[in-house]
Amino acid sequence: GAGVSQTPSNKVTEKGKYVELRCDPISGHTALYWYRQSLGQGPEFLIYFQGTGAADDSGLPNDRFFAVRPEGSVSTLKIQRTERGDSAVYLCASSFRGGLSYNEQFFGPGTRLTVL
Amino acid sequence: KNQVEQSPQSLIILEGKNCTLQCNYTVSPFSNLRWYKQDTGRGPVSLTIMTFSENTKSNGRYTATLDADTKQSSLHITASQLSDSASYICVVWSNYQLIWGAGTKLIIKP
Repeated sequence: GAGVSQTPSNKVTEKGKYVELRCDPISGHTALYWYRQSLGQGPEFLIYFQGTGAADDSGLPNDRFFAVRPEGSVSTLKIQRTERGDSAVYLCASSFRGGLSYNEQFFGPGTRLTVL
Repeated sequence: KNQVEQSPQSLIILEGKNCTLQCNYTVSPFSNLRWYKQDTGRGPVSLTIMTFSENTKSNGRYTATLDADTKQSSLHITASQLSDSASYICVVWSNYQLIWGAGTKLIIKP
């Protein structure tokens, strides 16, 4: 595709529910990143995939958060038992290669998650 | 603790004027520094990437500077346009992670 796409663009859910957020990276990009951005803040790193494997998941806040990338392309961020504090914009980015510091990351438009 | 601090938090200027945004970082090890522009409701878009040895880099009306000794960077915008209204975020790459500043919200008024 032309860029990174994320679905849905907006998600409203109730406290305690389970949600899945999807990211379609740029075709051919092997690295994929998830970030969380609260209002007025910069993005906060969550997890980085190189291919199908999670190369760094140190940013996941707790075990309610989980992400997969089974075929090395599309990724899904899964949040169990959502809490109001999970409300944020969840950004996905991809790069041609991961790990190398000069690689450009291209961001999707984000999914705005609101937990009521 | 690795931190990236930006100032001012917000800035309002008139169209056509110049402005400079500041970024101070305490990040180690340092790989490179990036400036991103983020329009409301959109993902960040890269403006510049600067390595340790680069002092200045331009991208159109945007000019970024880097002083690796004092760990400071600036983004200068020349002849501002209404479309420059956005948040500008300074980011430092360290250990395979990007350390993000909170951004400067820039508003250009006609």
